[in-house]
Amino acid sequence: SQQGEEDPQALSIQEGENATMNCSYKTSINNLQWYRQNSGRGLVHLILIRSNEREKHSGRLRVTLDTSKKSSSLLITASRAADTASYFCATDWNQGGSEKLVFGKGTKLTVNP
Amino acid sequence: EPEVTQTPSHQVTQMGQEVILRCVPISNHLYFYWYRQILGQKVEFLVSFYNNEISEKSEIFDDQFSVERPDGSNFTLKIRSTKLEDSAMYFCAVPGTSGSQETQYFGPGTRLLVL
Repeated sequence: SQQGEEDPQALSIQEGENATMNCSYKTSINNLQWYRQNSGRGLVHLILIRSNEREKHSGRLRVTLDTSKKSSSLLITASRAADTASYFCATDWNQGGSEKLVFGKGTKLTVNP
Repeated sequence: EPEVTQTPSHQVTQMGQEVILRCVPISNHLYFYWYRQILGQKVEFLVSFYNNEISEKSEIFDDQFSVERPDGSNFTLKIRSTKLEDSAMYFCAVPGTSGSQETQYFGPGTRLLVL
């Protein structure tokens, strides 16, 4: 299957620390996206990185993509308690023109004040 | 970023009943998607809908499910005869506007509980 898989499954850090989450996938992709989900709420799009990009920044977020290893990482710098949420990577299904997103199981991040 | 609303936010139903979940994108979209997330599990693709036709569906999207665009703006997901295992969050999503069409923007979801 195509699924992205994140690790760690859960991460607990102190406010001000950096949080790094990883995602691996299995087949070729056009792009990889990261989403955030607060408990029981909707998915919020954070950042998209295309297969020809290696690194992308958005505010306190830094995403890397290594297509040779089929992996991506999301770094949140100077974390805040409000960053507490689950973070999912999602890959497009680069086959036959499909546009569905395939999500990983997510990393549950807890930022302690 | 396109805005998407979904109604209802919560629905409780008895097994075997029909439910209709609604999605209202603020801007006019031809493409939309439905996903579901069983509690504690990953988000799963259900179906994509383009220009009033299903363009792709997953194995989950069996004969109990259907999608429509009844009035040219709202999109609906119907479950004809709900089962206990249909209990989940259901999200609709629409693609971004030009320059970010690969991105899908999700609505807040409908939490469905089948008793």
